[in-house]
Amino acid sequence: DGGITQSPKYLFRKEGQNVTLSCEQNLNHDAMYWYRQDPGQGLRLIYYSQIVNDFQKGDIAEGYSVSREKKESFPLTVTSAQKNPTAFYLCASTPDGGHLGYGYTFGSGTRLTVV
Amino acid sequence: SQQGEEDPQALSIQEGENATMNCSYKTSINNLQWYRQNSGRGLVHLILIRSNEREKHSGRLRVTLDTSKKSSSLLITASRAADTASYFCATDKGSGSRLTFGEGTQLTVNP
Repeated sequence: DGGITQSPKYLFRKEGQNVTLSCEQNLNHDAMYWYRQDPGQGLRLIYYSQIVNDFQKGDIAEGYSVSREKKESFPLTVTSAQKNPTAFYLCASTPDGGHLGYGYTFGSGTRLTVV
Repeated sequence: SQQGEEDPQALSIQEGENATMNCSYKTSINNLQWYRQNSGRGLVHLILIRSNEREKHSGRLRVTLDTSKKSSSLLITASRAADTASYFCATDKGSGSRLTFGEGTQLTVNP
């Protein structure tokens, strides 16, 4: 079955640590996205990539970094510069990067907690 | 920045009743989409309506779009307990842009 796999499901980070969240898709989608969701709130865009080896900052990119070396993979690193990283992180993809207006396919999320 | 705002923030109904959720947005759009999120899970795409469409149906879902009022509504008919979830609208300005999500409506359907 095609879909998006996020791992791990739960992640605990100590103060000052960098952690990397994995996002892999086998849908052959061009565009991939990372969103952050805080309790009771909507989604805010962190980074997105419409093509391999290219990505753009979203609305809340500070303290995060990404790479897009392969079409299937779009890992997100939460750096120590992100002062309030505890949140639910969602990865999504779409075939066309928004040009033709397809819906997004989402992964099941990673819940990150700072301990 | 949040483009869409849902109303109400929370809605509680009995099984079998209809549920209506509204979404307002601020700038011109290419399309508007509705998503569902069960607690602690990812979002699931429900329906997409383009800016030149006024109404769209999918099973028990009916979406309307009024571009003059910059608003949309999602109607779920004959609701079931399994419809309990958060529902989000998202707007797409088109041509390489990305979706902007509202803060969602929490729907509870009581058996």
